[in-house]
Amino acid sequence: DTGVSQNPRHKITKRGQNVTFRCDPISEHNRLYWYRQTLGQGPEFLTYFQNEAQLEKSRLLSDRFSAERPKGSFSTLEIQRTEQGDSAMYLCASSLDGTRNEKLFFGSGTQLSVL
Amino acid sequence: GQNIDQPTEMTATEGAIVQINCTYQTSGFNGLFWYQQHAGEAPTFLSYNVLDGLEEKGRFSSFLSRSKGYSYLLLKELQMKDSDSYLCAVIKSNTGKLIFGQGTTLQVKP
Repeated sequence: DTGVSQNPRHKITKRGQNVTFRCDPISEHNRLYWYRQTLGQGPEFLTYFQNEAQLEKSRLLSDRFSAERPKGSFSTLEIQRTEQGDSAMYLCASSLDGTRNEKLFFGSGTQLSVL
Repeated sequence: GQNIDQPTEMTATEGAIVQINCTYQTSGFNGLFWYQQHAGEAPTFLSYNVLDGLEEKGRFSSFLSRSKGYSYLLLKELQMKDSDSYLCAVIKSNTGKLIFGQGTTLQVKP
């Protein structure tokens, strides 16, 4: 078990471009969460999946953001027409099934810089 | 809605004890977590409290009072390597998702 893996670790893009991040959760984990974190703040919830089903999306997630988990394993987070305000650390986390309040295991995140 | 408050920054001396407080107001409370985060790295699990009282784990202890909406993380015998951010997070019932406070940056000085 290598833990939660996120790629890329860093992404620099120009405003208006599209970007996609990938998260590979711990293999037997059914729940997968996306968070966004800016400097000096705690992680903010964006969305989560139970297997392949996306169960909740935060109001923070504008129409430019879309997340998928097509086979219930890895997940992708896409941001279209990036804006400078999208610059943040995007964290992925997974847990076994979320019904017994298991702790979340976090990946190291993808640091996005929009120029 | 939910509101989770913790101090932004704290400073303590090597070898001393520090207490990081967290207050919360949230619906559907189902437990409270503390995570440690080094700059630019993933948050890592420290403790979980769902019942009132103190949970001790080595140099770290966490306390919860549900009636007061209050928790603290206690770090004993501080070491320089404890200089990190400490995140308080409430778990929402039935979803498993964590709602985080802003985090407390702890600086340990010699």
